[in-house]
Amino acid sequence: GAVVSQHPSWVICKSGTSVKIECRSLDFQATTMFWYRQFPKQSLMLMATSNEGSKATYEQGVEKDKFLINHASLTLSTLTVTSAHPEDSSFYICSARGRGRGYGYTFGSGTRLTVV
Amino acid sequence: GQNIDQPTEMTATEGAIVQINCTYQTSGFNGLFWYQQHAGEAPTFLSYNVLDGLEEKGRFSSFLSRSKGYSYLLLKELQMKDSASYLCAVRDETDSWGKLQFGAGTQVVVTP
Repeated sequence: GAVVSQHPSWVICKSGTSVKIECRSLDFQATTMFWYRQFPKQSLMLMATSNEGSKATYEQGVEKDKFLINHASLTLSTLTVTSAHPEDSSFYICSARGRGRGYGYTFGSGTRLTVV
Repeated sequence: GQNIDQPTEMTATEGAIVQINCTYQTSGFNGLFWYQQHAGEAPTFLSYNVLDGLEEKGRFSSFLSRSKGYSYLLLKELQMKDSASYLCAVRDETDSWGKLQFGAGTQVVVTP
């Protein structure tokens, strides 16, 4: 079946630094990638949608200059949290749709970000 | 926009049946998904409904009524491993990308 590999699984960074999270589709072409954030005991909140080769579309209230999304190829999308602060600590997870995948969405395994 | 409501928590005993309701208001509706999520893990796909009616898959069944903006997930013969959060998600095709918007999740606690 379809697999999306997300790295790192967890990361601890200092306040003010940047962190990059990668999602790779291993056996299909991810034409659209969705990035979510999930705080403890809350649901997944959609941050942005990206299509290969296009600029990402951000949901209302999400700072595009802080959360940089790149979808340069059909198999790789990255989310960079710039100038991270403790309030950015969260579980980040990607979800991909691809050609020939029908109605399905394939989720990455998630990244636990802790900013200290 | 989306407005997806589901109960916060439900408790049931092992072997019992639990029904998790989900109501939604959305534009561009094109399908409703149910996912199971254990803490700290990615959601796992359970079911998909795009037409009215009941979809059965083993111990799990899901129902959709588009006119009522209503769905439910039925879990039968509950097992301890079914203790998890269950997420209702609606697909919005307004922008043709098929964004999935999630409800807050229902925490199901299965007791012995």
